[in-house]
Amino acid sequence: DAGVIQSPRHEVTEMGQEVTLRCKPISGHNSLFWYRQTMMRGLELLIYFNNNVPIDDSGMPEDRFSAKMPNASFSTLKIQPSEPRDSAVYFCASSPGSWFSSGNTIYFGEGSWLTVV
Amino acid sequence: AQSVTQLGSHVSVSEGALVLLRCNYSSSVPPYLFWYVQYPNQGLQLLLKYTTGATLVKGINGFEAEFKKSETSFHLTKPSAHMSDAAEYFCAVLNNAGNMLTFGGGTRLMVKP
Repeated sequence: DAGVIQSPRHEVTEMGQEVTLRCKPISGHNSLFWYRQTMMRGLELLIYFNNNVPIDDSGMPEDRFSAKMPNASFSTLKIQPSEPRDSAVYFCASSPGSWFSSGNTIYFGEGSWLTVV
Repeated sequence: AQSVTQLGSHVSVSEGALVLLRCNYSSSVPPYLFWYVQYPNQGLQLLLKYTTGATLVKGINGFEAEFKKSETSFHLTKPSAHMSDAAEYFCAVLNNAGNMLTFGGGTRLMVKP
């Protein structure tokens, strides 16, 4: 399997511009997660989807952030308008589903490095 | 709510020395615990996990971790460090609903020749 695929790997944008990050989860996985990693705050869960439905978006920092999962094989994280404090690495991850019963593993993509200047 | 604390944001060892990375957790239910490794410019990879059963868990690359309920700990060890072990290591705990991970702040391991 190709693993979790994220694009772009690196993006530099100007403050105020719209940024769209994309993710293709592993085929057959029905849970998808967006995490943000910064030096100051470490790894933060932004939003969690199960079967394409957002289950918990309490980690989304503010209204400038939005995430969608239109189908089982694609998700986007959008920032509009972007600000310098949004500079971070954004990770997408997926898992096969319910963990209690099978102790499933969550698989991470390689991340999208975002710099807002 | 579940949480994890990793003691020491940076750990430095000499090549061949013992690696010990500390993780303490807080959980109101029997925890599922994980260690992930992040190499430079890469995503996180699973090293090992504890769900139920044997409290000493062996993972990839010679790492192991022991679940100690009395100490609420899940420390990661490796008998002999290699240069290739230099990376950031994250401890994580599964939430009550069994569908999300909460990560610790990470520990950066440096290996000196």
